[in-house]
This record gives sequence, structure tokens and C-alpha cells, in this order.
Amino acid sequence: GAGVSQSPSNKVTEKGKDVELRCDPISGHTALYWYRQSLGQGLEFLIYFQGNSAPDKSGLPSDRFSAERTGGSVSTLTIQRTQQEDSAVYLCASSLVHLATNEKLFFGSGTQLSVL
Amino acid sequence: AQSVTQLDSQVPVFEEAPVELRCNYSSSVSVYLFWYVQYPNQGLQLLLKYLSGSTLVESINGFEAEFNKSQTSFHLRKPSVHISDTAEYFCAVSSDGGFKTIFGAGTRLFVKA
Repeated sequence: GAGVSQSPSNKVTEKGKDVELRCDPISGHTALYWYRQSLGQGLEFLIYFQGNSAPDKSGLPSDRFSAERTGGSVSTLTIQRTQQEDSAVYLCASSLVHLATNEKLFFGSGTQLSVL
Repeated sequence: AQSVTQLDSQVPVFEEAPVELRCNYSSSVSVYLFWYVQYPNQGLQLLLKYLSGSTLVESINGFEAEFNKSQTSFHLRKPSVHISDTAEYFCAVSSDGGFKTIFGAGTRLFVKA
């Protein structure tokens, strides 16, 4: 596709339910990131995938959060037993990585998650 | 570990006035620095970046930022702002050999007529 695609754009769920958020990166981009944007919190790093390397999960806030990237392309962020504090916009970004230079990130439009 | 601090959460300014949005970073290795912008109801997009070479980098819409290694800063400036510059601005850093990009908390620039 032309850009990073995220689905759904909006998700309303009840506390305690599990949710899955999907990200389709730009074709050929080897790096994929998940960030969380909350009011007043800026962009919080969650997880980073680069090629076939083990993902950097250092930003995941709890063990209720997990992410997969199948075939080096599509990624799914799963939040189990959602809590109200999980409400935020979840952003996916992808980039090309050349040698030691970090290329710019291309962001999707995000998924607005509301936990009631 | 690297981190980014944006000292101002909100910056109100009148149209045609100059503005500076501050950004400081911490990293033990060489860094690459970025400013991203998020206009109202739009996604994040790159404004400008410093990878190497000249420490002063510019965007196409008149913003510039200067990499200051001794002060570990990458402040964003514009000599004369427009209403259309109203947006949230995020400073970001990634380090040489590690491609994870860390963002600051953001600065909301509000340009008033």
C-alpha cells in the first residue's frame, strides 16, 4: 500500500476484554514500531521489530501487552484483560534501515482505543 | 539508555513572532535527531532530521534546528510563525548502532492571530 495502514481506526471495549490491533507497514520496510499516545504523555515507545532480529519489548508496560510480526510484514498488538488506563491512541510506524543510518518513520493514523 | 526531554508542554505565540521549541537528549553514543509534527486531526510526519554533517538543518516550511553536542540539545526555531504552524511538535532521538527511536513528550505550539 501507499502508507502504513492501521485497523480498526476506533475500538471501544469493556474492561477485562482482550483486543487486537493490526498494522500493515509500507512494503519493504524492515523496521516496525508500536507507540502509545496518551493525553499529556507524548509518544510512549512500546515495541520495535527489525528484520528477523528478536524484537525490543522493553517498552511494553505489562505482561498483558504482546505483539507479533508475521512474515516480516503485518504486526498485531494484543492487549489482554484491558484496563481503563489502556485507553489511548496506538500508533504504528515503519521505516527503512540502511547501514547505520536510521531513516525517518512513517506513521499510520492510529487506533483510538477506549476502555469503558 | 537514551531519553528526550521537551521542556515546554505548551507554547502560545502571536503570528509573525519568532519561536523556539526546546529539546534536550541524553545518550552515551552518537545520535541521530529528529523533529516530527502532528497537525490537528492528522498523523505524525517528519519535519526535519540531523544524521551527520552540518549541525544546522532546515525544513521546507521555514523551521530550523541546530545540533549542539556540548549542550546535548536540538532546539527547533522559526523566525516568524504562521497560524498554520499550530500543531504538536515531537523531538526524537535514535542512536548509532541502535535503531530504536525514542520520542519526547511533545510541545503544543499555538499560534494566535
